[in-house]
Amino acid sequence: QSALTQPPSASGSPGQSVTISCTGTRGDVGGYNYVSWYRQHPGKAPKLIIYEVTKRPSGVPDRFSGAKSGNTASLTVSGLQAEDEAEYYCSSYGGSNNVIFGGGTKVTVL
Amino acid sequence: EVQMLESGGGLVQPGGSLRLSCAASGFTFTNYAVNWVRQAPGRGLEWVAGVTGSGANTFYGDSVRGRFTISRDNSKNTVYLQMSRLRAEDTAIYYCAKEVLSTSKGSFDEWGQGTKVTVSS
Repeated sequence: QSALTQPPSASGSPGQSVTISCTGTRGDVGGYNYVSWYRQHPGKAPKLIIYEVTKRPSGVPDRFSGAKSGNTASLTVSGLQAEDEAEYYCSSYGGSNNVIFGGGTKVTVL
Repeated sequence: EVQMLESGGGLVQPGGSLRLSCAASGFTFTNYAVNWVRQAPGRGLEWVAGVTGSGANTFYGDSVRGRFTISRDNSKNTVYLQMSRLRAEDTAIYYCAKEVLSTSKGSFDEWGQGTKVTVSS
């Protein structure tokens, strides 16, 4: 299965919002409510920020929100902060016990 | 506090083998699937393999199926990744990661710091 499609970059000023898309197919994003989002700072392990499309793990602020429409999922980061500058990855269950990641989106806080 | 600690990475020649370990603590180990995810230098994340809490079921990404074997020893709270017939494109940081829920599919809330594998002659 092919990687999910994410824009390579996104940006916003502090306090603003940024939305990142993640496009798959009916066989992954569109077919299951198992979309996750991760934030990764350079040299660090990824951190889960959204799972099952809209759920936030404990400790993740409500500035992060997820949604899905058809074969495209999205992550919105509101109230951008300097610490939000990072690489963001989406992933989806792809059926047949397979997990697919997106190519990553570099978010820059201007 | 949950901890995932990988070990076993290193330099190996093409065609060689290596076994990675992931020692887990801080949660009921048998209740959760554990997966391996890798990241090649300067590249994105790639799911490698997963094993259910009991160890009865294992799953693999297309690029490693038939060459890698995932297993777990629940008496030692440890997951293994036996890698064989290694190729240059297997060069990456390998992370072990725990599922966020016992019922989740592909959502990893706890990650190790990673162990580096380099395949080169």
